[in-house]
Amino acid sequence: DTGVSQDPRHKITKRGQNVTFRCDPISEHNRLYWYRQTLGQGPEFLTYFQNEAQLEKSRLLSDRFSAERPKGSFSTLEIQRTEQGDSAMYLCATYVLGTENTIYFGEGSWLTVV
Amino acid sequence: AQRVTQPEKLLSVFKGAPVELKCNYSYSGSPELFWYVQYSRQRLQLLLRHISRESIKGFTADLNKGETSFHLKKPFAQEEDSAMYYCALIQGAQKLVFGQGTRLTINP
Repeated sequence: DTGVSQDPRHKITKRGQNVTFRCDPISEHNRLYWYRQTLGQGPEFLTYFQNEAQLEKSRLLSDRFSAERPKGSFSTLEIQRTEQGDSAMYLCATYVLGTENTIYFGEGSWLTVV
Repeated sequence: AQRVTQPEKLLSVFKGAPVELKCNYSYSGSPELFWYVQYSRQRLQLLLRHISRESIKGFTADLNKGETSFHLKKPFAQEEDSAMYYCALIQGAQKLVFGQGTRLTINP
């Protein structure tokens, strides 16, 4: 087990509702990434954190999306006023600086907006 | 812009046959390339990286800078190799850029 856990694993929500996903890395993984994956596509980068600092955001991350990583531990990804186009798998991945470039992924959170 | 291209969305071979999953990239610097695999209902996991030049589960991949390719190969496919395979390039702050993936099916 890579130690990256995500919650919830599945979420069905009505359009216009807000949803929040949580990612728990293992404690020493100081870099944390969020990716989005739609059917038939590879994962697309959304944002990443170095400890608690959010250092980069993709243009894919509209104003309705916000991510946080308080205290540099777990992270949350919130989507406000969900749209059907937000339906996707949201992946969390973590990495340890100073080690080989191995990025570990969680199992993902499936979002379906109806 | 950095890009990873996997030209085949689907690849089907018979058990025991050789497998080659193609990956091409565009990158202005010195690339660091990976193959990730996702078995059914499991998380993405690292299969191999080019800098370690290792063989994992019988798979190898050689970085060809002249052709900007990092094709994944296995001489004899096994049924348990059926999975989604993603080629990825690391960019900047260890941010992975993925190809669209190839679904490999090994027929008995």
